[in-house]
Amino acid sequence: EAQVTQNPRYLITVTGKKLTVTCSQNMNHEYMSWYRQDPGLGLRQIYYSMNVEVTDKGDVPEGYKVSRKEKRNFPLILESPSPNQTSLYFCASSLWGTSYEQYFGPGTRLTVT
Amino acid sequence: SQQGEEDPQALSIQEGENATMNCSYKTSINNLQWYRQNSGRGLVHLILIRSNEREKHSGRLRVTLDTSKKSSSLLITASRAADTASYFCGIGKYNNNDMRFGAGTRLTVKP
Repeated sequence: EAQVTQNPRYLITVTGKKLTVTCSQNMNHEYMSWYRQDPGLGLRQIYYSMNVEVTDKGDVPEGYKVSRKEKRNFPLILESPSPNQTSLYFCASSLWGTSYEQYFGPGTRLTVT
Repeated sequence: SQQGEEDPQALSIQEGENATMNCSYKTSINNLQWYRQNSGRGLVHLILIRSNEREKHSGRLRVTLDTSKKSSSLLITASRAADTASYFCGIGKYNNNDMRFGAGTRLTVKP
């Protein structure tokens, strides 16, 4: 089954404790992206990647890191999480950039206390 | 802002009625995409319309695009309770692979 998977689905952590949210797709897509969703603000793009070792900032990259060492994986790293990063996070992928439909993962609900 | 802005923020209708949602944007676009999100879950792609297209259909969905007015509309005909969800438009631009979304329209279809 073609899908985007994220882990963990739920995470509660404390300020400053480094964490990684994994994202994997099995569709051989070139493009992968991370979004955060907050009430009243819709989805905001954090980072995206057009290919292995190629990443670019989205709308709200501050406080986040990403890497793309393999085509199928695109982890999101919060090196020093803060409470304002409490949010619902989505990973997505597409065949090639934003000219094609994006497939979204199920989401990761992160709470930073 | 270059993101899409959906209107209205919320819409409540009876089953069987049509629902129309609008999306406005401020920049030149390559394409515009509509997505549906059931509460707290991942977005599901509905329709992609390119800048050189004016209308697309998919089942009970009809999307129009007016690039002169920088706006798009999503029409859901003969709505069902299962259509209850939030609907988002995503803006895809030329020479840029970031995608911007608005805050969405929350549609409630009452049985």
